Formats: sequence, C-alpha cells, structure tokens
Amino acid sequence: AAGVIQSPRHLIKEKRETATLKCYPIPRHDTVYWYQQGPGQDPQFLISFYEKMQSDKGSIPDRFSAQQFSDYHSELNMSSLELGDSALYFCASSLRGNEQFFGPGTRLTVL
Amino acid sequence: AQKVTQAQTEISVVEKEDVTLDCVYETRDTTYYLFWYKQPPSGELVFLIRRNSFDEQNEISGRYSWNFQKSTSSFNFTITASQVVDSAVYFCAAQGNTDKLIFGTGTRLQVFP
Repeated sequence: AAGVIQSPRHLIKEKRETATLKCYPIPRHDTVYWYQQGPGQDPQFLISFYEKMQSDKGSIPDRFSAQQFSDYHSELNMSSLELGDSALYFCASSLRGNEQFFGPGTRLTVL
Repeated sequence: AQKVTQAQTEISVVEKEDVTLDCVYETRDTTYYLFWYKQPPSGELVFLIRRNSFDEQNEISGRYSWNFQKSTSSFNFTITASQVVDSAVYFCAAQGNTDKLIFGTGTRLQVFP
C-alpha cells in the first residue's frame, strides 16, 4: 500500500540558512500534519491542513511556514535556521477524522 | 488539552517474556482518541492502534493486546512472547477535538535474545 512520502530524507544546513521539506500524502487523504521530534523527545505537533486550508496550529515558530497545494502535497518552509531546529520532521496524513499515518521523516541537521 | 504519561522510560526483557507498557492520560474532552505508535531504530513512526473514548473493549491483534480502562484513565499495551524485532520506542498518544496528537515521552523496549 502507498505510504506517506517525504523528501529529502536527510538535510544538512548551516545556521541562518533556509530549508524546504516536502510531503506527499497517501492518495485520497485530505489532511496533512507536521510534527517535530527533537533528539530523545516525543513528536510535537506543528501545524495541519485540511483541503488546502490551515486546520490547526501548534508550537510552530514564526520562522516556519507551511502550505498545502492543490495536489494535496505539503511543504514546510523553515528560515533563519537555528541549531535547535535540528530534529526529525514528520509529515502525517489521514482521511479527515481518521488515524494519522506517518511518513519516514526528514532528518534536519543544522550546523 | 490532553496529557499523556508513560512512566516507564525503559524496559528490558528476554525474548519470549510478556511485557506491558503503561499509559495514563488526562483529558477534559468527552470524546477523544487514544493511540499507540512504534518507533523502531530506523526512526519511522508505525501506527499500531486507535481507540475512541466510547469503546472500552479490549483488543487483541496477534501478539499485541490493549487494555483500555476509563475508570483509571489508562490504555496499556501488552506484547506477548516478545521478540527481538519488538525492540523499539513505543509512544502512547491522545487526540481530542483538534488535529494534534499529544504524545507521551515514550517507553524504550529492549528485547534480548
């Protein structure tokens, strides 16, 4: 069965650079979620989109923005990167109101 | 808002032992969902189960079973006859009337041969 696709899988950036993470949901899923998991921590909800509109917002820094496109894929844009942004970033997708299925994650390292 | 507590930071067992992972939740929502996810060393988050707050029936799936008790706000996960491949971090999570999953801090399970 098709799963959530995230790209890139690994990303290395310098401080103050920008990064764009992409997420392709499971076909026919209408809701996309972004989570951040720091080393040794649990995933923290960042933001979600339903039918291309922002649905819910968590602890997402102002330096980050995201959107969902007409083909339902989503992008998380991160600017002015800081060392503390180094983490595993997960995208998940679902049919509205159903369980969230997670992608493999993008490991971001900020040097 | 929800809060999820997994008091067991790390558990070590020998293969074929049974092991129970504890999860206690707090919520003010009358309707909510509880989840378990598995995170193996490769890093992905694997969905295991979702239960809604109105369904307290225990569930069994192969070697996995879940015990949901609203009276004690617990949603415990038991692995029967554990195997080395069960070694992972297991997260319990809750979801109320919003999109966000609130995760516990996870329990690292190590199964030794």
